[in-house]
Amino acid sequence: DIQMTQSPSSLSASVGDRVTITCQASQDISNYLNWYQQKPGKAPKLLIYDASNLETGVPSRFSGSGSGTDFTFTISSLQPEDIATYYCQQYDNVTLTFGGGTKVEIK
Amino acid sequence: QVTLKESGPALVKPTQTLTLTCTFSGFSLTTSGMRVSWIRQPPGKALEWLAHIDWDDDKFYSTSLKTRLTISKDTSKNQVVLTMTNMDPVDTATYYCARIPRNSYYFDFWGQGTLVTVSS
Repeated sequence: DIQMTQSPSSLSASVGDRVTITCQASQDISNYLNWYQQKPGKAPKLLIYDASNLETGVPSRFSGSGSGTDFTFTISSLQPEDIATYYCQQYDNVTLTFGGGTKVEIK
Repeated sequence: QVTLKESGPALVKPTQTLTLTCTFSGFSLTTSGMRVSWIRQPPGKALEWLAHIDWDDDKFYSTSLKTRLTISKDTSKNQVVLTMTNMDPVDTATYYCARIPRNSYYFDFWGQGTLVTVSS
């Protein structure tokens, strides 16, 4: 199975900061990489699909890039409402795998 | 609009079989390319994909759990059912069902989740 290594596991940043999270796949997954936001007690919410496509209704401060094995998720200007845990998720033709998550907090 | 809702027991005993039902609306699992999946999340831990079922009844399972899982659908009731055998306390988690839209592999709509505790 393909493993997803997500880093960092947590980060603390100030409002307005640029925040970057990375996800590395153990094998080439083309652009089959998605990003979710999960707030406490809630189901995850899709933000980015196919590595770089912004889901409808998601603010443009969220973005994604990458292909192959290395992917990046960016919040261009952190807002208080962005406090959450973020997960990457891959698909390899048979199974799906999530990364370990990144907890984003306000400094 | 698309909605999904999980239902099942909140508490199961070790060694028992868990049966969860996902009841959905706003789409049909007879539509080509559509899929419904089950994902779980132990308290304070990461998400873990369990299984999904395709519109054409193809089924896919987590490698580590496939011997314990069975997924099925009832298109007349708009339901997807997951059974997990031989439950253990480590299976304590919130279980979610989610839709995978046509010809894609991301989860665009999720249920609210149901917490299942495994304890004697």
